[in-house]
Amino acid sequence: TQLLEQSPQFLSIQEGENLTVYCNSSSVFSSLQWYRQEPGEGPVLLVTVVTGGEVKKLKRLTFQFGDARKDSSLHITAAQPGDTGLYLCAHRSGYSTLTFGKGTMLLVSP
Amino acid sequence: KAGVTQTPRYLIKTRGQQVTLSCSPISGHRSVSWYQQTPGQGLQFLFEYFSETQRNKGNFPGRFSGRQFSNSRSEMNVSTLELGDSALYLCASREASLYEQYFGPGTRLTVT
Repeated sequence: TQLLEQSPQFLSIQEGENLTVYCNSSSVFSSLQWYRQEPGEGPVLLVTVVTGGEVKKLKRLTFQFGDARKDSSLHITAAQPGDTGLYLCAHRSGYSTLTFGKGTMLLVSP
Repeated sequence: KAGVTQTPRYLIKTRGQQVTLSCSPISGHRSVSWYQQTPGQGLQFLFEYFSETQRNKGNFPGRFSGRQFSNSRSEMNVSTLELGDSALYLCASREASLYEQYFGPGTRLTVT
């Protein structure tokens, strides 16, 4: 099993602050995905990173895939309360089997 | 299109009972996967159904089973419930030739 370790487990910040969360593994992946799960909802796919060193931006969210394709990070600029949620990284094996990290719970206070 | 729907949203059962959860995928999606989410273990893959056939299975005991109907709706069943089965059960659907999965809101199962 290719494990994904996410850090930190929990992050509580004020609106307007910047933050970075991490997803690390000892395994090499062909791609990694990031999801956000809001309370009472299922995870929603934010991005898939495929190429080592790749950087993708989604508004205030910046995703990076490590050069060796073993790790990824998510940076949020000027966090807003609407960013509150559980951020999960996952890798896909086969068509439908997703293996998830345990996630980073982000709380952004006004 | 309507999203993935799951029923019921909340369920309370007693140890030893069995439970059936239902998932209706997005129209046109033939693949349905089930996941269990707990605070301790996170999100774990249970199984995937495609065109009424189980294609993949995670590392769960045989008490966990599922099926898919000809209209792609899926059910999962847990027999002889244990306290540790308390979890959020999520289903996700996808189109046959695409990777992206769309998750439903989940069914929160509490076993007492």
